[in-house]
Amino acid sequence: DVQLVESGGGLVQPGGSLRLSCAASGFTFSSYWMHWVRQVPGKGLVWVSRINSAETSRTYADSVKGRFTVSRDNTKNTLYLQMSSLSAEDTAVYYCTRSDWFDYWGQGTLVTVSS
Amino acid sequence: QSALTQPPSASGSPGQSVAISCTGTSSDIGGYDAVFWFQQHPGKAPKLLIYEVSKRPSGVPDRFSGSKSGNTASLTVSGLQAEDEADYYCSSYAGSSNFRIFGGGTKLTVL
Repeated sequence: DVQLVESGGGLVQPGGSLRLSCAASGFTFSSYWMHWVRQVPGKGLVWVSRINSAETSRTYADSVKGRFTVSRDNTKNTLYLQMSSLSAEDTAVYYCTRSDWFDYWGQGTLVTVSS
Repeated sequence: QSALTQPPSASGSPGQSVAISCTGTSSDIGGYDAVFWFQQHPGKAPKLLIYEVSKRPSGVPDRFSGSKSGNTASLTVSGLQAEDEADYYCSSYAGSSNFRIFGGGTKLTVL
């Protein structure tokens, strides 16, 4: 079965940094585009970033461009999101999701930016 | 790029049909056959219901159907069941830089 498990969330101060991970299993991770999507609790979904299978193409939402970096390690079947210069507006549950269809999702990891 | 527009709420009785609309522009919904619908129960991750306007992934009941006309997409849930009570989000491709935008979500209540 396809599984995506996020980790790395937590409480961070404004201006701080955090790295999220997404461990994938049950499919050939190296064959798929992967994405990050976030959701402020009680609010809607917002696409954050995507990366292609070979790490040669990355795209970011305007709201995180220059602050977030998406990467992956196909030998470890793991997707990453390095987040820096965090602000309260980045507080959300962060989901990793597979393919441009978003056909499988992890359970999410909560990032809270607060002093 | 603005979010897609969905009604905040919809409702229906068991066995009835409900349609949820999702309005965008010619730069997203109207420009591509890349409309997706997701179902999200409280505290859970979203689940893909419809891809590429009207296609259903394996395992999704045929009670769920999607369509598109111009800049507006629709999700129809037929034969409403109690477990259909959830939030529903539409999403569309929006170009190579913005890539994907979502609607604000519709809370479906089964009366």
